[in-house]
Amino acid sequence: DTGVSQNPRHKITKRGQNVTFRCDPISEHNRLYWYRQTLGQGPEFLTYFQNEAQLEKSRLLSDRFSAERPKGSFSTLEIQRTEQGDSAMYLCASSPAVRPQPGNTIYFGEGSWLTVV
Amino acid sequence: AQSVSQHNHHVILSEAASLELGCNYSYGGTVNLFWYVQYPGQHLQLLLKYFSGDPLVKGIKGFEAEFIKSKFSFNLRKPSVQWSDTAEYFCAVNEEGFKTIFGAGTRLFVKA
Repeated sequence: DTGVSQNPRHKITKRGQNVTFRCDPISEHNRLYWYRQTLGQGPEFLTYFQNEAQLEKSRLLSDRFSAERPKGSFSTLEIQRTEQGDSAMYLCASSPAVRPQPGNTIYFGEGSWLTVV
Repeated sequence: AQSVSQHNHHVILSEAASLELGCNYSYGGTVNLFWYVQYPGQHLQLLLKYFSGDPLVKGIKGFEAEFIKSKFSFNLRKPSVQWSDTAEYFCAVNEEGFKTIFGAGTRLFVKA
């Protein structure tokens, strides 16, 4: 399978605990994105990387959230001191370089469900 | 800032009915436009995309969308829906090289 891979697929955690999600993008894609999706809403942008550089972070991303992509391949998203409001689906997506591929189409993984109890 | 508006949050149709889902975006520059679909229990999949050229874009499964620049719209259409089209549909936009912004989605339910 050469798609975007995310794990764990489901995570239930107690409030206050830390959680980490991992994303493995499509191998030739150098851009990687994290989105959050809650019921009844579209994906909300959180952050994205070009290779290992984190180019943009949304204001939605509080200080408790940190994302890394140390070698420009896989990425991790860590949430510290989780709160019930963090319960959501965390989506990872990747895309090839803008050139020569126009349009920057992004391809999504299956997501990681987080439930904070 | 870019934003995407989808006019209908829920749509219920009978099989063979025609479908049109509205999408408007706010951005004055050159944009790329997308429709993604999420079937129950599955991940988001690309349905179709517009970069340039013919404003009428054809996608998978008989879907098409028309880009009308003057109206900042990219409406999704299908002449005859099937029960298997039951899903959530998301319109999205990005500016070349920047992040993709999604609408809130439209849930389509097709009655057999």
